[in-house]
Amino acid sequence: ELKVEQNPLFLSMQEGKNYTIYCNYSTTSDRLYWYRQDPGKSLESLFVLLSNGAVKQEGRLMASLDTKARLSTLHITAAVHDLSATYFCAVIFNFGNEKLTFGTGTRLTIIP
Amino acid sequence: KAGVTQTPRYLIKTRGQQVTLSCSPISGHRSVSWYQQTPGQGLQFLFEYFSETQRNKGNFPGRFSGRQFSNSRSEMNVSTLELGDSALYLCASSPQTGFTGELFFGEGSRLTVL
Repeated sequence: ELKVEQNPLFLSMQEGKNYTIYCNYSTTSDRLYWYRQDPGKSLESLFVLLSNGAVKQEGRLMASLDTKARLSTLHITAAVHDLSATYFCAVIFNFGNEKLTFGTGTRLTIIP
Repeated sequence: KAGVTQTPRYLIKTRGQQVTLSCSPISGHRSVSWYQQTPGQGLQFLFEYFSETQRNKGNFPGRFSGRQFSNSRSEMNVSTLELGDSALYLCASSPQTGFTGELFFGEGSRLTVL
């Protein structure tokens, strides 16, 4: 069964702190996306990770992919209020038919 | 550069009816994929079209169908609507097929089935 699990599901953190969101998946894949969604809005692309060991950074966010561990992390450094949103990872599984499978999402709230 | 455009943005239908949603991709993008987002099931992949051909498909019943035109615009159709079809339907465009590049999402079409 194709499963993508994120944890935590809810995260409340203070401004200025660091934290990591984890994305575990059940079956071999070497491609993964991270997205951000604000309430009532669409998905905004954050990172595209296309190989084992890929690491990408944009501002206070850094994402990495470990295909052997079937794990991706989204690290937040010195959080600011503007980062409050729901974050999704999405994994591409290929069994002849490619399927993009989303994680459950992590609702992040940054407290001033 | 114009983004991905979805129409209509909001619509209300009753059970048993059918609905057609439209998605215009970013100029030059040939891949369009569709997703359903509900509070209970989260985000789920419906299907992907590239150069007018369905390339990949999720696990939805045959009531959900789509097509893509020669100008890369795509439509999604849901027949015999059920209450559980109430959702935000998102489409995304990409320059290439196979989820090898960035996906750009539209604002979505919010469907309510009464």
